[in-house]
Formats: sequence, C-alpha cells, structure tokens
Amino acid sequence: ILNVEQSPQSLHVQEGDSTNFTCSFPSSNFYALHWYRWETAKSPEALFVMTLNGDEKKKGRISATLNTKEGYSYLYIKGSQPEDSATYLCAFSTGTYKYIFGTGTRLKVLA
Amino acid sequence: GAGVSQTPSNKVTEKGKYVELRCDPISGHTALYWYRQSLGQGPEFLIYFQGTGAADDSGLPNDRFFAVRPEGSVSTLKIQRTERGDSAVYLCASSSQGSPNYEQYFGPGTRLTVT
Repeated sequence: ILNVEQSPQSLHVQEGDSTNFTCSFPSSNFYALHWYRWETAKSPEALFVMTLNGDEKKKGRISATLNTKEGYSYLYIKGSQPEDSATYLCAFSTGTYKYIFGTGTRLKVLA
Repeated sequence: GAGVSQTPSNKVTEKGKYVELRCDPISGHTALYWYRQSLGQGPEFLIYFQGTGAADDSGLPNDRFFAVRPEGSVSTLKIQRTERGDSAVYLCASSSQGSPNYEQYFGPGTRLTVT
C-alpha cells in the first residue's frame, strides 16, 4: 500500500513569518509529486508538479524542493500573509492517472 | 476559461436516501476523475473515466456507489442507501487526456452530510 504523509497536520504562524512543511512518499516507482493549495469553499489549486530529483520550483513567495531518493518534498512559504491560509496537499504519482494524496497541512496565518 | 464545477456545493440527506452529485469538467477534457475526502484523510481515488467509459472503478467502496458519464462530458456520482460513513467531500477533477503527463484540475467539491 502506497502511503503519503504530510507534517505537520496543522500550524499557526504570524504574518511575516516564513514556514515550511514536509511531504513524505515512497521512494520507489516515483513518477511525479504534485503540490496543491486548497482554500475553503474553493477548488484545489495546482502549485507545482515536480518530476526530477533535486528539482526546485518557485512561484512568488512559495517554493518547493524534491528528493526522490529519500522520498520527501518540502514546501516553503516566505513572509506568510493571511491570504496564504489554506490546506496544502501533496499528491504522489507512480505514472498512472491515480494520485495518492497526503492528509494535508492546514496553515493559518494570523494578522 | 471556466474551470471544473460541481453541484450542489453542499448536500444534507438522511440515512438510507439516494443522492446524485454532479460534475461539469473543463470543456474538451476527455478524462474525468472522482475522489472522496473523508474527515482527517486525504482525497482518495474513486473512479476514472476516459470519454464515456469508466476505465477504472476500483476505488468505489461498494455497490451502493455508481457513476456515469453518458456523453463524455458531465458526470454524475450516484449513491444509493446512504450511510453516515458516506459523509465526506466528493471532489471531481478533469484533464485534457488521461495520461499522467496531463495535470488534473479540480472542482470545489460537494460536501455530503448523511444524518
């Protein structure tokens, strides 16, 4: 059974703080790792698709790294803002259409 | 352009009733997926359509769950004799094709509560 874990489950940070969270996935049969941001009552929004070991991707104040050999990805948010409050999901793919999701990290940024 | 839409956004039903959840994918997307997110869990795969046919329904939990996509566009997830354990957020996604190289775009979900 393929298991994807995310930590922490939830966290609160102050506006302006930088933060990061982890997605752990199986290191075998890796094809791609997806990060999504999911705000309440909205659609999950794709942030990054990462495929190569050592990949680093950046979108504004958010960036992500990938280590396929050890099976983890980090998501970083620099200078958190209240609008960053959301659940951040990672999804692992072995090369089929089935995404295997983690349970998410719920981020609350306090103004 | 318009994204994936799902209706209703919220549905409350009594145990034992029948419900239908609708998904409108992005126009032109041939692949459509249903996922279910139960409390405290990540979204779990239910079924995948390529065109009108269900290419993989291995994630449907039991025979009370059924999904159709008769014209290769809109899909309906049908749940018979609902149980309290069916309470969850049901997510729909679509992609331009079904291979892993094509990003899945998600709708906002339908929150189903069975009382």
